[in-house]
Amino acid sequence: AQSVTQLGSHVSVSEGALVLLRCNYSSSVPPYLFWYVQYPNQGLQLLLKYTSAATLVKGINGFEAEFKKSETSFHLTKPSAHMSDAAEYFCAVSGSSSNTGKLIFGQGTTLQVKP
Amino acid sequence: DAGVIQSPRHEVTEMGQEVTLRCKPISGHDYLFWYRQTMMRGLELLIYFNNNVPIDDSGMPEDRFSAKMPNASFSTLKIQPSEPRDSAVYFCASSFSSGSTGELFFGEGSRLTVL
Repeated sequence: AQSVTQLGSHVSVSEGALVLLRCNYSSSVPPYLFWYVQYPNQGLQLLLKYTSAATLVKGINGFEAEFKKSETSFHLTKPSAHMSDAAEYFCAVSGSSSNTGKLIFGQGTTLQVKP
Repeated sequence: DAGVIQSPRHEVTEMGQEVTLRCKPISGHDYLFWYRQTMMRGLELLIYFNNNVPIDDSGMPEDRFSAKMPNASFSTLKIQPSEPRDSAVYFCASSFSSGSTGELFFGEGSRLTVL
């Protein structure tokens, strides 16, 4: 069985500060891991994905995430927050060996960026 | 490609009425997913199809909910009769399985309000 836990349903940072959104996963098979972003009144968009090629993954808009197997984590970071980063962020996992196309999503973390 | 297309974007109806939500997946994608998003429960997978065949409908909340995929380019999610607790944003997503990493492409969503 696979699951994802996002620590903190709401994160608030100042503009220019480091963004850190936490995600821990549970998977009985080598996982594929994803971060999606949802802006208000829009669908989810892929930020980045880990597919076992490299543990540090760079995505769009300056975001990156590091896969740490020993910690079963896939935290999302950005060195300097911008006002436009305010959105909801979802971590998701799928099983690379099963390839059912089914993603398991976390509960989401709302990022607030203060001026 | 135009992406995943959902209609209607907004629907307001009265309790007891039938609601039909529509989805056109990305051409060539062989998986289609229906998700529901609410503040209380977050993002829930309702049902998904592979090659137009329902694979897992365990997330469908009640018999009032039904989903069909008559062909590779069209799917519907129907609620009959609708209830106020069905108010949510319903997302359709599609993906391509062969050689892929399971990335989902989401539509903009259909916001349903049942009065």
